[in-house]
Amino acid sequence: DGGITQSPKYLFRKEGQNVTLSCEQNLNHDAMYWYRQDPGQGLRLIYYSQIVNDFQKGDIAEGYSVSREKKESFPLTVTSAQKNPTAFYLCATPDWYTGELFFGEGSRLTVL
Amino acid sequence: SQQGEEDPQALSIQEGENATMNCSYKTSINNLQWYRQNSGRGLVHLILIRSNEREKHSGRLRVTLDTSKKSSSLLITASRAADTASYFCAPGCGVIFGPGTSLSVIP
Repeated sequence: DGGITQSPKYLFRKEGQNVTLSCEQNLNHDAMYWYRQDPGQGLRLIYYSQIVNDFQKGDIAEGYSVSREKKESFPLTVTSAQKNPTAFYLCATPDWYTGELFFGEGSRLTVL
Repeated sequence: SQQGEEDPQALSIQEGENATMNCSYKTSINNLQWYRQNSGRGLVHLILIRSNEREKHSGRLRVTLDTSKKSSSLLITASRAADTASYFCAPGCGVIFGPGTSLSVIP
């Protein structure tokens, strides 16, 4: 089945540690996005990539980093510089023709 | 890309009733999309309505679009407990999301 997969689903981190969240898609889409969602809130855009080897900062990029070495993969690293990293992280990829966004199931990060 | 503003922020109804939620936006769009998010899950696309359409149906969902008022509405008829979720609208390119409408359907 075509889709978008995020892992891990749950992740615990100690303060000061970097963690990397995985996002893989087999839809052959060019663009991929990372969002952060806090309880009862909307989605805030962290980083987006329109094409391989290129990415742009979203509204809340500080404390995060990404890479886009392959079309199907867009990993997000939450660095120790992110002051409040506990949140639900969502990866998405748009259908170029319709604009419909396909979302992964999310990764919940908790900092202990 | 622009953010839609959903209203109300929260809605609680009895099973079998209809649920209506609204979305307003600021600038002209080619289309508008609605998404659903169950608790702890990713968003799922529900329906897309184009700017030249006034109304669109999909099962128990009915979406309207009024481009002159820059607003859209999502109606869920004969609601079920399984409809309990947050609903988001995404005008235009649809990459920015507001806080959504949290719908609770009480059995």
